[in-house]
Amino acid sequence: GENVEQHPSTLSVQEGDSAVIKCTYSDSASNYFPWYKQELGKRPQLIIDIRSNVGEKKDQRIAVTLNKTAKHFSLHITETQPEDSAVYFCAASLTQAGTALIFGKGTTLSVSS
Amino acid sequence: NAGVTQTPKFRILKIGQSMTLQCTQDMNHNYMYWYRQDPGMGLKLIYYSVGAGITDKGEVPNGYNVSRSTTEDFPLRLELAAPSQTSVYFCASSSGQGGWNQPQHFGDGTRLSIL
Repeated sequence: GENVEQHPSTLSVQEGDSAVIKCTYSDSASNYFPWYKQELGKRPQLIIDIRSNVGEKKDQRIAVTLNKTAKHFSLHITETQPEDSAVYFCAASLTQAGTALIFGKGTTLSVSS
Repeated sequence: NAGVTQTPKFRILKIGQSMTLQCTQDMNHNYMYWYRQDPGMGLKLIYYSVGAGITDKGEVPNGYNVSRSTTEDFPLRLELAAPSQTSVYFCASSSGQGGWNQPQHFGDGTRLSIL
């Protein structure tokens, strides 16, 4: 079945540095790739998403890139701030389940000031 | 709009008991989903629905049942609670417009412990 691998599992950076999280997916028919941020005890919140018809999308300090040939996509956060500290999840659409998603296991990002 | 509302927020069950986790959305979304999140892990799809009267299994459906009699409601039923079902349960919904996947909106979750 569909599988999403996410790396690294933990990431520590200094405030102002960049952070990069990478994911790979197995189903070449997946066409939607969202990223969620989850703070402790809270619901996942969508921060950015990308569809398979584009290779890159940017929203202020956050960007996502997609390489369909290699079946991987990445989240880039620039000028990190302490409030960026959270768990980040990537996901890929499960094509045989309509719009359902398969999630990676998450990356715990810690930004120290 | 309240978005996606889940009840209860917390619950403790004994082994073998049954319960229903409620999920309601007021965004007129066609698609609804149930996920479980174990500690330190990602979300796993339990069941999903593409519209009223239509449901299907996800990655981890064993021990659960769902129904979708209206667009707004998508309850999740645990028939014989087992310790392995201790988890945080999230309900989500999304629209089906435009032919592309649309963002999923999550509820606040139900924290369920089975002892």
